[in-house]
Amino acid sequence: GEDVEQSLFLSVREGDSSVINCTYTDSSSTYLYWYKQEPGAGLQLLTYIFSNMDMKQDQRLTVLLNKKDKHLSLRIADTQTGDSAIYFCAENTDKLIFGTGTRLQVFP
Amino acid sequence: NAGVTQTPKFQVLKTGQSMTLQCAQDMNHNSMYWYRQDPGMGLRLIYYSASEGTTDKGEVPNGYNVSRLNKREFSLRLESAAPSQTSVYFCASRQAGTSGVNEQFFGPGTRLTVL
Repeated sequence: GEDVEQSLFLSVREGDSSVINCTYTDSSSTYLYWYKQEPGAGLQLLTYIFSNMDMKQDQRLTVLLNKKDKHLSLRIADTQTGDSAIYFCAENTDKLIFGTGTRLQVFP
Repeated sequence: NAGVTQTPKFQVLKTGQSMTLQCAQDMNHNSMYWYRQDPGMGLRLIYYSASEGTTDKGEVPNGYNVSRLNKREFSLRLESAAPSQTSVYFCASRQAGTSGVNEQFFGPGTRLTVL
């Protein structure tokens, strides 16, 4: 069945790198996504990767995709307090399947 | 453009009461979705509408009904609310059926408490 898994919590010090991991199940997904949810708000698309890519870099964000292991990761360099949020990975079938979300807490 | 709007923002119901959550989008998107978000559970799809005139069940449809009133509007109805339906409800839309990134846009959410 469809199941996208993430760890629930991550705590990092300001200025360090954060790595959020995700495993997915549908190998036919064309795109894989990372969404960000700030407190009291809906989700917003943060970045995405096309399934035939291994890596995508976008400023402080690096997305790595291992299709063989169905593993997706999001690295945030120089993590700031404004990065504190819940991060969801999602795979794309006829509808988006979201992971459970990882709550990132950044402390000074 | 307002994007995706939801009403109300907050609601408190008693067990057994009914209510309808409203959602509208002004982006001319074909597909619309209703999710619920619970701690540790992520987002779970309740119902979706791939296009005007069609609706389909998602992962957790029991206790809910939906209406795709027109291309813009997609409402979610709780006929007899139960405490287990206490949650934050999100509506979303996307322009499905086209190639490309196919970003899904979310509303701000409705926080529902059932006593």
